[in-house]
Amino acid sequence: ETGVTQTPRHLVMGMTNKKSLKCEQHLGHNAMYWYKQSAKKPLELMFVYSLEERVENNSVPSRFSPECPNSSHLFLHLHTLQPEDSALYLCASSQEYREYEQYFGPGTRLTVT
Amino acid sequence: EDQVTQSPEALRLQEGESSSLNCSYTVSGLRGLFWYRQDPGKGPEFLFTLYSAGEEKEKERLKATLTKKESFLHITAPKPEDSATYLCAVQDTGGGNKLTFGTGTQLKVEL
Repeated sequence: ETGVTQTPRHLVMGMTNKKSLKCEQHLGHNAMYWYKQSAKKPLELMFVYSLEERVENNSVPSRFSPECPNSSHLFLHLHTLQPEDSALYLCASSQEYREYEQYFGPGTRLTVT
Repeated sequence: EDQVTQSPEALRLQEGESSSLNCSYTVSGLRGLFWYRQDPGKGPEFLFTLYSAGEEKEKERLKATLTKKESFLHITAPKPEDSATYLCAVQDTGGGNKLTFGTGTQLKVEL
């Protein structure tokens, strides 16, 4: 595997379900990010981790819970979501938190029914 | 607050018909301006970073330029495989690595 990978690629869940999104980066980067991309809207930054420590949380509802067990893996735990949470969830990584370009994974297309 | 506006929203070109995409931005201090390409159902693919006014970068048929208020992505003699959404993002000097994105320009190149 190369670059940034995300699983699953597609997810349909009910509002009462609990699920997790997984991201893995194979680039040796130290910072990882979760973004939400909704139709016709700019990418919205959700969380940032640098060296496994959360450094940014942009007013995201508590039904989204991130976890970064090491610098290569990032999870987004989901519970009791709303239909408006349906979107493409993108993971990205960069060499350092304050520098360098961000490289994105292919995303998880989430549908909440 | 940083702002990024991209125009046009959508652009249709014939193969070989050159054009430019615009990205206007407002930041307190520019650390970098980034261009990404995004194909349907995929994540954004990094293209260029520009750091200061007057800077230019090229890759195949794409050339990005930067002024103090806007950036242009020039596409020379485009091919159908250049069809994608092109995203612009800025990072300010305020710290962190937060990117503020525009909503993108959806480019369609037809034979």
